[in-house]
Amino acid sequence: ETGVTQTPRHLVMGMTNKKSLKCEQHLGHNAMYWYKQSAKKPLELMFVYSLEERVENNSVPSRFSPECPNSSHLFLHLHTLQPEDSALYLCASSQDQGGWNEQYFGPGTRLTVT
Amino acid sequence: QQQVKQSPQSLIVQKGGIPIINCAYENTAFDYFPWYQQFPGKGPALLIAIRPDVSEKKEGRFTISFNKSAKQFSLHIMDSQPGDSATYFCAASLSGSARQLTFGSGTQLTVLP
Repeated sequence: ETGVTQTPRHLVMGMTNKKSLKCEQHLGHNAMYWYKQSAKKPLELMFVYSLEERVENNSVPSRFSPECPNSSHLFLHLHTLQPEDSALYLCASSQDQGGWNEQYFGPGTRLTVT
Repeated sequence: QQQVKQSPQSLIVQKGGIPIINCAYENTAFDYFPWYQQFPGKGPALLIAIRPDVSEKKEGRFTISFNKSAKQFSLHIMDSQPGDSATYFCAASLSGSARQLTFGSGTQLTVLP
């Protein structure tokens, strides 16, 4: 596989639940990303953690909250989600060294909000 | 200005054919153009990438053609095989401390046996 693992692979949650998605990279990279992938839409970058600095897409609702405790682990905390948040959530990592930024993706978490 | 427009949305070719997927961008500051391949149940995987200082790059059966003046780039798959059936995404990014990729909407390719 790519060296980026995500758990769980599938998640069904109600709109009032709180859950977290987990990502772990085993590649020694220093940057991690959360993307949202919806059908027939471009991958949407949600958050970037690079060298412990966080960059976020201003259009991401506050019901999504990232956490990056170290360079190998990334979480996405979810609360009071809406049905339109149902999508595949992808984690990626890269070695940010000023050159070509090859991003390696995990298999994703398929989220369904009921 | 940050958008990358990809076409076609879907493509069906016979085995051995040469599917071509096209992308266009507006932001002339983009300096890195990768293509990703995604199989069902998997995350996207980097296939091939190009920088704007060259007009073509080949890796195996995959070729990127890049037209800087037209702000367009395309992916060609030579001698396509059924195993190439996947969704292909183009992307572009700017220089920076963390390259933020802007993706196209994807092309679902089916290669018939």
